[in-house]
Amino acid sequence: GIQVEQSPPDLILQEGANSTLRCNFSDSVNNLQWFHQNPWGQLINLFYIPSGTKQNGRLSATTVATERYSLLYISSSQTTDSGVYFCAVEQAGGGATNKLIFGTGTLLAVQP
Amino acid sequence: GAGVSQTPSNKVTEKGKYVELRCDPISGHTALYWYRQSLGQGPEFLIYFQGTGAADDSGLPNDRFFAVRPEGSVSTLKIQRTERGDSAVYLCASSSSSNEQFFGPGTRLTVL
Repeated sequence: GIQVEQSPPDLILQEGANSTLRCNFSDSVNNLQWFHQNPWGQLINLFYIPSGTKQNGRLSATTVATERYSLLYISSSQTTDSGVYFCAVEQAGGGATNKLIFGTGTLLAVQP
Repeated sequence: GAGVSQTPSNKVTEKGKYVELRCDPISGHTALYWYRQSLGQGPEFLIYFQGTGAADDSGLPNDRFFAVRPEGSVSTLKIQRTERGDSAVYLCASSSSSNEQFFGPGTRLTVL
């Protein structure tokens, strides 16, 4: 099956800093989503981005499907950005399922 | 509007007991998914419903796990003869025709 790898595994930032999180996947995908899992465990939708670039406030994301990677940019980080960031993909040609395969996650800690 | 809801939020049971976990999807979402998340890992797919039928149950770990969605809305995940290894957070997600999945807060299952 498809492999989804995220880097870096851990990241510590000072408040106000910028960061880039990367997601590599090993096969073609129909869909790609970025999530933020907050300290209470809730998965929060950030982007639905199988291709192209999107921006939402301080966050933006770019997926280059032909090169099998996606990037999540966080600018002017805040302590509330802390948590785990997951990339999840739906493998193309997967038949009747739309199941998401999650990456290993990036644990982000933003210090005041 | 209301998001995905799951009940109970926490469930503690003894080894060998039967448990039921409930998921209420976003109104109008025809697709419903169950995932399981163990500590320090990303969610893993269990089963996918399109309407009332299970379109893909390839992620169910064994025949102790079963899920239903009799009216195409609420779903129940059922675990028989629970084992300590079943302890995890069980997440439910739903999606519309756009395929973007939205997750509930999860049920934390602890098997003693």
